Amino acid sequence: DIQMTQSPSSMSASLGDRVTITCRASQDIGNYLSWFQQKPGKSPRRMIYGATNLAAGVPSRFSGSRSGSDYSLTISSLESEDMAIYYCLQSIQYPFTFGSGTKLEIK
Amino acid sequence: EVQLVESGGGLVQPGRSLKLSCLASGFTFSNYGMNWIRQAPGKGLEWVASISSSSSYIYYADTVKGRFTISRDNAKNTLYLQMTSLRSEDTALYYCARGASFAYWGQGTLVTVSS
Repeated sequence: DIQMTQSPSSMSASLGDRVTITCRASQDIGNYLSWFQQKPGKSPRRMIYGATNLAAGVPSRFSGSRSGSDYSLTISSLESEDMAIYYCLQSIQYPFTFGSGTKLEIK
Repeated sequence: EVQLVESGGGLVQPGRSLKLSCLASGFTFSNYGMNWIRQAPGKGLEWVASISSSSSYIYYADTVKGRFTISRDNAKNTLYLQMTSLRSEDTALYYCARGASFAYWGQGTLVTVSS
């Protein structure tokens, strides 16, 4: 099975900060990597697909990138509404696997 | 507007069975593979099962293989998850999601396994 190692598990940042969350894949997953945002009591929302593609309706301050087996979600300028838990997902091979999540808090 | 509405959750005793449904609307259901994902209370997301558009391909997580069965009825625009031999560790909010891109999710249905 492909393991997705997500870091950090939690972080606190100030409004306007640049924030980066990373997932490392244990095997080659190409660009079959998505990022999801989950706010308390809500269903997950897809933010990024294909490693770098912004999902419809997602603010442009969100972006995705890849460097080898490391995949990153970046928020260029943190806003209060971005407080949430973020998960990555590999969908190249079954069983699909999620990262363990990053809880993003606002200082 | 794409909508996915899960139902069928509830309180069930260990060892018993339960069948979840996910009613789809706003898109051509028969064109898309579908997925079940679960989230235990206070925990992360866990992929459970996937089914292709014509039911030709089905995959399960090892944690549910042999106990859960995913199926679909394209005429009824409905996805199902038959769960048997339920355990306390199956307690979770169960979501359905559309396609390999997981672009759309339902609101979830809560399954609680407890005596």
